[in-house]
Amino acid sequence: GAVVSQHPSRVICKSGTSVKIECRSLDFQATTMFWYRQFPKKSLMLMATSNEGSKATYEQGVEKDKFLINHASLTLSTLTVTSAHPEDSSFYICSARDLSGQGSNSPLHFGNGTRLTVT
Amino acid sequence: QKEVEQDPGPLSVPEGAIVSLNCTYSNSAFQYFMWYRQYSRKGPELLMYTYSSGNKEDGRFTAQVDKSSKYISLFIRDSQPSDSATYLCAMKKGGGNKLTFGTGTQLKVEL
Repeated sequence: GAVVSQHPSRVICKSGTSVKIECRSLDFQATTMFWYRQFPKKSLMLMATSNEGSKATYEQGVEKDKFLINHASLTLSTLTVTSAHPEDSSFYICSARDLSGQGSNSPLHFGNGTRLTVT
Repeated sequence: QKEVEQDPGPLSVPEGAIVSLNCTYSNSAFQYFMWYRQYSRKGPELLMYTYSSGNKEDGRFTAQVDKSSKYISLFIRDSQPSDSATYLCAMKKGGGNKLTFGTGTQLKVEL
């Protein structure tokens, strides 16, 4: 089945620094990847849609200058949390869709997430 | 009112029990329905993916969709301790990209 790899799985950083999270589709090409954020005991919240070769689309309330997304190739999207603050501490999960199945209606496959802790 | 409602649990059952997990939704535009399993500190893993009303079975798992009632279910037969996880329902409108998730139900299967 489709595999999405996310790295790192866990990161601790100091307030004010930037952190980059990578998301790779390992056995398929993904023109679109999705970045989610999950708070404890809460649902997954879509932050932004990453589009290969063009600008990301951000959901309402998500600061695009704070959460920089780059989708440089068909298998790699990165999320950079800039000038991180303790309130940015969360579980960030990327996902992608293998379009070879049912196209845009194919199910999403998720990475294993990145636990970010900002001290 | 949330678009997708899911009881957060926790739900605790004995090993071997049949588990029933449910979600209701309010938007009739949802056409695709998914169930994901999420272990602690891991990303969600796709379990079931359905489009039409009715039942879909895969091993010990059965997904049921009732579009007229806007109600979906996931049944787990012969539950095992390894089934202990959070189960998230998710749904999507036709042709769109965005998934809308329930809050997840925490399940614990005890020996």
